[in-house]
Amino acid sequence: GEDVEQSLFLSVREGDSSVINCTYTDSSSTYLYWYKQEPGAGLQLLTYIFSNMDMKQDQRLTVLLNKKDKHLSLRIADTQTGDSAIYFCAERTNAGKSTFGDGTTLTVKP
Amino acid sequence: EAGVAQSPRYKIIEKRQSVAFWCNPISGHATLYWYQQILGQGPKLLIQFQNNGVVDDSQLPKDRFSAERLKGVDSTLKIQPAKLEDSAVYLCASSDQEYEQFFGPGTRLTVL
Repeated sequence: GEDVEQSLFLSVREGDSSVINCTYTDSSSTYLYWYKQEPGAGLQLLTYIFSNMDMKQDQRLTVLLNKKDKHLSLRIADTQTGDSAIYFCAERTNAGKSTFGDGTTLTVKP
Repeated sequence: EAGVAQSPRYKIIEKRQSVAFWCNPISGHATLYWYQQILGQGPKLLIQFQNNGVVDDSQLPKDRFSAERLKGVDSTLKIQPAKLEDSAVYLCASSDQEYEQFFGPGTRLTVL
């Protein structure tokens, strides 16, 4: 079945870049997503990438996709304390089913 | 545009009791999802509706969980009877496009 794996924790200093990594197993994934979840809130879509793309940039966010290795990463430039949250990687298959990783808790230290 | 609404936000019940959650999706969104998010884990899809028809309920524990979507708009998710392991946040999401889901704030359920 589908599986999405992420490292559990990442700690960076304010102003540094953060890189959150994710691996997935389903080669039929059509979309790959990054969501942000703050305490007590639902998931907020940050960005997504089509499976036929290698890279997508959106302001401070850069998504890299290595389809051969089934590896997805999210880079946040100039990380701020407001970026502290849990970040979820998710894949969506041709069948329309979404599978989420267990999230990476990003802590930004001033 | 109003977001996805869910109620209640919090619920505490004892095991073997029943509970129901309500979701009002974004107006015009045809697809509605219910997810279960256990503490420390990512959301797991319970059921997906397209209008008022079920698209995927393969991970819904049908012996105790049920869901309906009346007239293709609001939806309710019911647990009867609840078990300790049902303690989680229940997230509702809706979409009108293939790639983006909009999530509600969730209902945090504690089963004692």
